[in-house]
Amino acid sequence: GAVVSQHPSRVICKSGTSVKIECRSLDFQATTMFWYRQFPKKSLMLMATSNEGSKATYEQGVEKDKFLINHASLTLSTLTVTSAHPEDSSFYICSARDPAPGTSLYNEQFFGPGTRLTVL
Amino acid sequence: TQLLEQSPQFLSIQEGENLTVYCNSSSVFSSLQWYRQEPGEGPVLLVTVVTGGEVKKLKRLTFQFGDARKDSSLHITAAQPGDTGLYLCAGALGNAGNNRKLIWGLGTSLAVNP
Repeated sequence: GAVVSQHPSRVICKSGTSVKIECRSLDFQATTMFWYRQFPKKSLMLMATSNEGSKATYEQGVEKDKFLINHASLTLSTLTVTSAHPEDSSFYICSARDPAPGTSLYNEQFFGPGTRLTVL
Repeated sequence: TQLLEQSPQFLSIQEGENLTVYCNSSSVFSSLQWYRQEPGEGPVLLVTVVTGGEVKKLKRLTFQFGDARKDSSLHITAAQPGDTGLYLCAGALGNAGNNRKLIWGLGTSLAVNP
């Protein structure tokens, strides 16, 4: 249980274009999903908390107009990097909590496999 | 700013050696988790510790939560090349509940050489 998928796993785009990344909870419903950014061999940097049916909560310093998050259903959250630039190149990972009793009792998160974004 | 200091950041050892990774904070956590991440993949939960002084074992991995719930350690016995990866600690602040973000350590990149 508690499987999270991400699509695409890898994307290369030209500077100025927008890229959408999908995060799905496959076998559970996730009211809360998280979006992280990660640099090589570095820790996770929380970008925003995505709440189903409401606006995402962005961390300080993250531009909400650049990183659009939509959590329209209990199994899908999307991150759109708008007008991407080379400095947006990174590994983007989503995670979710499984609300099933005893699964995320202590805020454990289940992660997708990540999306490698390269902006040329 | 809540911080979770993790050390060492990088560790390269030979197969068979033992190692310990530390996570320290001035904050009290309601729970602390350890994750392992391989290159190009998402982190995978290894263990959650909740009670001060708690010790949990997962094969050759031993996890300990400090008595004051401000620190934790991960000890690996007889490391193997398959243990190579990025180890991350993450703590949940405040009262136990399932709607809180995690505070992440900086990670320990471990390389176990055959």
